[in-house]
Amino acid sequence: GAGVSQSPRYKVTKRGQDVALRCDPISGHVSLYWYRQALGQGPEFLTYFNYEAQQDKSGLPNDRFSAERPEGSISTLTIQRTEQRDSAMYRCASSLARGSEAFFGQGTRLTVV
Amino acid sequence: QKEVEQNSGPLSVPEGAIASLNCTYSDRGSQSFFWYRQYSGKSPELIMSIYSNGDKEDGRFTAQLNKASQYVSLLIRDSQPSDSATYLCAVHTGNQFYFGTGTSLTVIP
Repeated sequence: GAGVSQSPRYKVTKRGQDVALRCDPISGHVSLYWYRQALGQGPEFLTYFNYEAQQDKSGLPNDRFSAERPEGSISTLTIQRTEQRDSAMYRCASSLARGSEAFFGQGTRLTVV
Repeated sequence: QKEVEQNSGPLSVPEGAIASLNCTYSDRGSQSFFWYRQYSGKSPELIMSIYSNGDKEDGRFTAQLNKASQYVSLLIRDSQPSDSATYLCAVHTGNQFYFGTGTSLTVIP
């Protein structure tokens, strides 16, 4: 597709389960960002990839959160042992280069019950 | 102090008027500045980018940047009801985009 694609769109999981959220960036975009957005707030940074290298993970809340982008294209954000406070909209964005225009996917709405 | 500050609004303007949205940022070294529009329940949509001081116009939208004052603004001319949305200011610094909390705009027919 032409845009950033995220899957699943909605995920309901039980507390304590692991979840994996997928992001397929725009073809040719080397920079990939993960954000989390609460209702009524702006997106909050989680992590940044340049090609396959995770260059910044300063926004990951704790060690239950991890992300990878092994071939410099598709990225996966994994949350282990989910907690209710992890419930949020998770957004992925990609750009041609660091600092250039970034485009968001539709997001994954995660609900932990 | 937050990296990016915006008036949360709500801002209401009549149809056909000019809507003015403002944003300040804290890191003087920031180089890239963006405005996103976000409709309720949707993802942020990029509408303007600006990298150097001055004005940049694209259709009904004008972005203004003043790096000395650390200030970015967005003007929407001839506002339409379809412009009703939350507008997010984003500033790229280091490895990330910093977002404001957004300004809610309502255009009244």
